[in-house]
Amino acid sequence: NAGVTQTPKFRILKIGQSMTLQCTQDMNHNYMYWYRQDPGMGLKLIYYSVGAGITDKGEVPNGYNVSRSTTEDFPLRLELAAPSQTSVYFCASSYSGTEHNEQFFGPGTRLTVL
Amino acid sequence: AQSVTQPDIHITVSEGASLELRCNYSYGATPYLFWYVQSPGQGLQLLLKYFSGDTLVQGIKGFEAEFKRSQSSFNLRKPSVHWSDAAEYFCAVGAWRGAAGNKLTFGGGTRVLVKP
Repeated sequence: NAGVTQTPKFRILKIGQSMTLQCTQDMNHNYMYWYRQDPGMGLKLIYYSVGAGITDKGEVPNGYNVSRSTTEDFPLRLELAAPSQTSVYFCASSYSGTEHNEQFFGPGTRLTVL
Repeated sequence: AQSVTQPDIHITVSEGASLELRCNYSYGATPYLFWYVQSPGQGLQLLLKYFSGDTLVQGIKGFEAEFKRSQSSFNLRKPSVHWSDAAEYFCAVGAWRGAAGNKLTFGGGTRVLVKP
C-alpha cells in the first residue's frame, strides 16, 4: 500500500503557465481532497470529491480546476499560474465523509510561481 | 462556521522536558477533533482523534490530548519530548456536511523546536 502519492514534489512555474498536480491513492477511498498550505495559515480546502465523477468547491477554489474520472486519481489543474498560488499543495483521501473519518495525506507538492 | 486557533506559533522545549500545545475551537455542535503532525518535508500524519466518550485520548508516539468542552479546548501533551518530536503540529475540527462529506478546518499550526 503506497497510500496517497503526489507528483511532482517540487515545481517552479512562470506567471501565466499552466500545470497539473497529480494525486493517486490506492486505498479505494471514495473521498479525496486538495488543500493548500501557506505559512502560519494552516491548510485551506481547495476542492474535494465524494466519488468518481463528482467534485465540489472548497474554501479557496479560484484559479484551480479538478476532475475525478476514477476512484484512484484526483488531479488539480492550474490554468494561469499567479504568484498568489505559490504554496505547498496536499492531497488527502478518506474512506467515507463522516466527520470522524481520518484523512490520509500525501507528501505534498511545493509550487513556486515567479 | 467552525474555527480553530493555535495560540502558539513556535515553542522551544528541551529534550526530556514536557510539552503542551494549545488548541481552541469554535463549533456549534459536538466537535470531532484531531491532532496531526507534519515532519519537515513530509505530509500530515494523524496523532490522535476525539469523537466522544473519555475526554483523555491517547495517540501514537506517546502523545495524549484532553478535550475540555467548558473551555472549548483540545490541548496536546507529551510527558517527555524526544529530538524526533521536532515538527509542526496542527489541530483540526471535523464537521459533517451530509452528502458533501467531512470538512476539516485546521488551525495555523505550532512549530516545535527541541533543544539537546
